[in-house]
Amino acid sequence: GAGVSQSPSNKVTEKGKDVELRCDPISGHTALYWYRQRLGQGLEFLIYFQGNSAPDKSGLPSDRFSAERTGESVSTLTIQRTQQEDSAVYLCASSAIGAGGRDTQYFGPGTRLTVL
Amino acid sequence: AQKVTQAQTEISVVEKEDVTLDCVYETRDTTYYLFWYKQPPSGELVFLIRRNSFDEQNEISGRYSWNFQKSTSSFNFTITASQVVDSAVYFCALSELKAAGNKLTFGGGTRVLVKP
Repeated sequence: GAGVSQSPSNKVTEKGKDVELRCDPISGHTALYWYRQRLGQGLEFLIYFQGNSAPDKSGLPSDRFSAERTGESVSTLTIQRTQQEDSAVYLCASSAIGAGGRDTQYFGPGTRLTVL
Repeated sequence: AQKVTQAQTEISVVEKEDVTLDCVYETRDTTYYLFWYKQPPSGELVFLIRRNSFDEQNEISGRYSWNFQKSTSSFNFTITASQVVDSAVYFCALSELKAAGNKLTFGGGTRVLVKP
């Protein structure tokens, strides 16, 4: 079956512009996660969605970052007034259940964001 | 707070050599899960293995093997008879047993370069 897909694969924007990144999870997966990976570094958790529960936004670095998810489908991560430090690869993952820590997360190919 | 440390930033080997990647973690939970992911040059994270904290049995999958030692909080990964296709960045990750979800805490990654 299809894996996690993300679009666009690459995005170049100017400082101060808003950007929207999209994630399509694996069909049937109830949990969805966003992570950020700066160049040469590990992944940082941003936000987590589980069904209709309130999202866990504890990893969002500032109020310029927001994300939405409708039901168990597509999610969009929005970064407003982008800054150069936002340049990174943004990775989306989904998992079947999402509760209890034991679920395996499957990752998409990422969106490489470059802020000039 | 949970933490994962991968002390080796880069390892270079010649094809057919064995390579061991170290992973040390910190957590206050008694129940947790450990993961290894591979990130080839294409960028997409590939799931390799998941272990829970109650299962210390070592595991072998083809040329891959994992050594989980709870007493030293380590979950090391060995590639036997390395091949050029093993060249990638490998990440160790930890999730704790939480009802609200299972965000992954990643180590900084170890870049493995296998030379022909």
